[in-house]
Amino acid sequence: QVTLKESGPALVKPTQTLTVTCTFSGFSLSTSGVRVSWIRQPPGKALEWLARIDWDDDKFYSTSLKTRLTISKDTSKNQVVLTMTNMDPVDTATYYCARVSRDGYNFGYWGQGTLVTVSS
Amino acid sequence: QTVVTQEPSFSVSPGGTVTLTCDLSSGSISTGYYPSWYQQTPGQAPRTLIYSTSIRSSGVPDRFSGSILGNKAALTITGAQADDESDYYCMLYMGGGTYVFGTGTKVTVL
Repeated sequence: QVTLKESGPALVKPTQTLTVTCTFSGFSLSTSGVRVSWIRQPPGKALEWLARIDWDDDKFYSTSLKTRLTISKDTSKNQVVLTMTNMDPVDTATYYCARVSRDGYNFGYWGQGTLVTVSS
Repeated sequence: QTVVTQEPSFSVSPGGTVTLTCDLSSGSISTGYYPSWYQQTPGQAPRTLIYSTSIRSSGVPDRFSGSILGNKAALTITGAQADDESDYYCMLYMGGGTYVFGTGTKVTVL
């Protein structure tokens, strides 16, 4: 059974760095073809894809946020971590992680999301 | 910058049919973008409905179908039910390990 769960701070101050963690079970990021992505959704707004990390440590980022994002994995802990620097109130959103499909083209399993508010 | 546009909202009667579309600012959508569709109810995580244009995800009722209509990706709900009232998002695979979501469509069943 595949599950993913996001965790992180509920509140972050402007200019700080956000670190959110995706802890998953039911699969391993050391297995060929496995990939995990991060997606976010500001309150009342659309989903936005942020980043992806693959089993072979390939990493891909949203063009518009590339300079602020870093994605990494800890295979031994079954975790994927996303950091976002220089947080701003417009970054207030629910942050989701999702397992990418085997073919790499869609997201088959989603976590429940974690709401991060950016405010002083 | 790539923009994927969906209708902001649709209203459909119970038992009725509605087709949502997904439009790419830079050109036509083909199967090579592997369009997928996600359903989201308030406060919940998205749920995968359709992937690779027209393949229903496990457990998705067959009243949901995906296709390419003209130069757009489309999601059709045939025989809408009350619990289909949700937000629907399309997503395209843009290549190079990157993705873009559409602007979303709010579907009301009444």
